[in-house]
Amino acid sequence: DQQVKQNSPSLSVQEGRISILNCDYTNSMFDYFLWYKKYPAEGPTFLISISSIKDKNEDGRFTVFLNKSAKHLSLHIVPSQPGDSAVYFCAASPNQAGTALIFGKGTTLSVSS
Amino acid sequence: SQTIHQWPATLVQPVGSPLSLECTVEGTSNPNLYWYRQAAGRGLQLLFYSVGIGQISSEVPQNLSASRPQDRQFILSSKKLLLSDSGFYLCAWTDLRTGNSPLHFGNGTRLTVT
Repeated sequence: DQQVKQNSPSLSVQEGRISILNCDYTNSMFDYFLWYKKYPAEGPTFLISISSIKDKNEDGRFTVFLNKSAKHLSLHIVPSQPGDSAVYFCAASPNQAGTALIFGKGTTLSVSS
Repeated sequence: SQTIHQWPATLVQPVGSPLSLECTVEGTSNPNLYWYRQAAGRGLQLLFYSVGIGQISSEVPQNLSASRPQDRQFILSSKKLLLSDSGFYLCAWTDLRTGNSPLHFGNGTRLTVT
């Protein structure tokens, strides 16, 4: 039973264009959402997060949008750069003490120059 | 600043052999600690988490176990490895005292069971 779903295993984008990575969740108790970036043979690194009281959070080239009614969030990267090529994981949490993040299966982003 | 150390980076073990992976966190006290596994095509799966010394919660029944002998030390063990235990094991920590707090991961251990 997947509570966090990333339905696109891969995405290819040209340098300078926008990358949009999508994530859906099923648990209405989730109220904290994060995106992680992972290079091969390394641990995931935290990219950006959003609380359920907001619908948008921006940090430089990265923007996360949250649509609670649709249980959907997306990560926009503008402009995309070759160094952005990595696996991106969406994660969610009910933000209760002692609970852990639930991750999606990841989307592999390839940015070509 | 806080840092997380995980070792070894890679490990090849035969089926039936024991396992011990260690993780330590520096620069913080009383962190929440986690073990995740990334298996091919399955994303990041939570295995264990701990909110304090000696307190372990298991998310997935399996032949693995975890222990937290000290505040900033988290150990993943197995008495007898199975082929299906192969994967990329990640230790992580967070400080829930700061409210919404992201997980911070170590660099992982690539385990191959042969």
